[in-house]
Amino acid sequence: SQQGEEDPQALSIQEGENATMNCSYKTSINNLQWYRQNSGRGLVHLILIRSNEREKHSGRLRVTLDTSKKSSSLLITASRAADTASYFCATDGDSGAGSYQLTFGKGTKLSVIP
Amino acid sequence: EAGVTQFPSHSVIEKGQTVTLRCDPISGHDNLYWYRRVMGKEIKFLLHFVKESKQDESGMPNNRFLAERTGGTYSTLKVQPAELEDSGVYFCASSQVRGRSEQYFGPGTRLTVT
Repeated sequence: SQQGEEDPQALSIQEGENATMNCSYKTSINNLQWYRQNSGRGLVHLILIRSNEREKHSGRLRVTLDTSKKSSSLLITASRAADTASYFCATDGDSGAGSYQLTFGKGTKLSVIP
Repeated sequence: EAGVTQFPSHSVIEKGQTVTLRCDPISGHDNLYWYRRVMGKEIKFLLHFVKESKQDESGMPNNRFLAERTGGTYSTLKVQPAELEDSGVYFCASSQVRGRSEQYFGPGTRLTVT
């Protein structure tokens, strides 16, 4: 299994509903970041939450982090069709080489139906 | 502020040929990362530069891959000779302070080896 596994793998909701995606990881982390990828495009940074933070908000996004359970959730409220995309969580931690590279999960594919 | 840019956006080459990918990070970002996503797999770390120095190249798959960042500005990733399994999307990311700030990604280069 992988560091940064998202759950569910796919999620389909109606416009206006809330979408919740979860992420679990295995090793200790420094930060956890959420990204969005629209079909065929690059990764857009959504939000970063530090290991000493428990919750963070940005617009319609709410991220929680539970380091005791090694899990995070991303909540998108009042979803829009434009939110249709794949969402990835990525963790960083010092690998020993001092690079803090990101480790990604496979992502959650969100479809928002108008 | 310009984001991370990558060139080309798409490259199709034959097995055995050479391809060079370029990444221009956000101005002022000392940290530059290369990642790639091969078909059906997670996004994986390749290597990390701090300015012109390689901080961590533990993710480089083999010696057919060569990354440089002369002058500490843009970076190139050369694949020589390319193999079929090198097909995928190559992402570049940059950050200001490793381990403490967001990594911003470019749009990626889609490499197809035939």
